[in-house]
Amino acid sequence: DGGITQSPKYLFRKEGQNVTLSCEQNLNHDAMYWYRQDPGQGLRLIYYSQIVNDFQKGDIAEGYSVSREKKESFPLTVTSAQKNPTAFYLCASSRAGDYGYTFGSGTRLTVV
Amino acid sequence: AQSVSQHNHHVILSEAASLELGCNYSYGGTVNLFWYVQYPGQHLQLLLKYFSGDPLVKGIKGFEAEFIKSKFSFNLRKPSVQWSDTAEYFCAVILTGGGNKLTFGTGTQLKVEL
Repeated sequence: DGGITQSPKYLFRKEGQNVTLSCEQNLNHDAMYWYRQDPGQGLRLIYYSQIVNDFQKGDIAEGYSVSREKKESFPLTVTSAQKNPTAFYLCASSRAGDYGYTFGSGTRLTVV
Repeated sequence: AQSVSQHNHHVILSEAASLELGCNYSYGGTVNLFWYVQYPGQHLQLLLKYFSGDPLVKGIKGFEAEFIKSKFSFNLRKPSVQWSDTAEYFCAVILTGGGNKLTFGTGTQLKVEL
C-alpha cells in the first residue's frame, strides 16, 4: 500500500541536542511538507518542498532545517536553536498541482 | 496576514444532536477549502473539499459544508452526530496560486456523549 511513513512514533531528546525526524513516501508525490501541531494552535507549516533539491520556509521555520535529496524523502532536523521543540510533527505529501494532501501518522517529540 | 479562524475550540454534544462548526478565512483571492478530521490516535483524514461549482459539498460519514463567499465562510455540518464522531476537526485553505500550501485553523475538539 502506498503511503507516508514517519519514524519514530515517539522520540525523546535532551535539551541542546539536534534531532532528525524521518519522512518517507512511496506515492510518487512531488511535493512534501512538514507541519507542527500544538494543542489549541492547529497545524503550522514549518517547511515545504515542491521538487527535489528545492525547499521553502513555511510560517515557523526558525530552529528547523530540511533536505530534499530524493523525491521519496524529506527529513526534518530540529536544531538546538528551536526554543520550544516539544510538539507533534506531521509530514504530508501531494502531487504537483493537486491539492489533495496525504498525511503521515506523526512523530511526537519530547525534549527534556 | 492570511488566516483561518475556527471560533469553536471545544464542542460537546449529545448523540443525535445537530452539528455546525464555524470556519472563516481572510484570503482575498480564489481559495480552495477543506475540512479534515483527526480521530484519537489516527491520521488526519480528509472529510470534504471545495474547489468550485456547487457551494454545498458533501463529504464522508454524512458531513457537508457550505461555502458562502460573501461571508468568507465554510461551515461544517452534520444533521445527527454519533459517538464515533468524537474527534478534532480542522478547517484548511489553499490560496489558488499560493504554492499549494495548506493553511489550517486552530481546530475544534468535538466530544459526543452517549
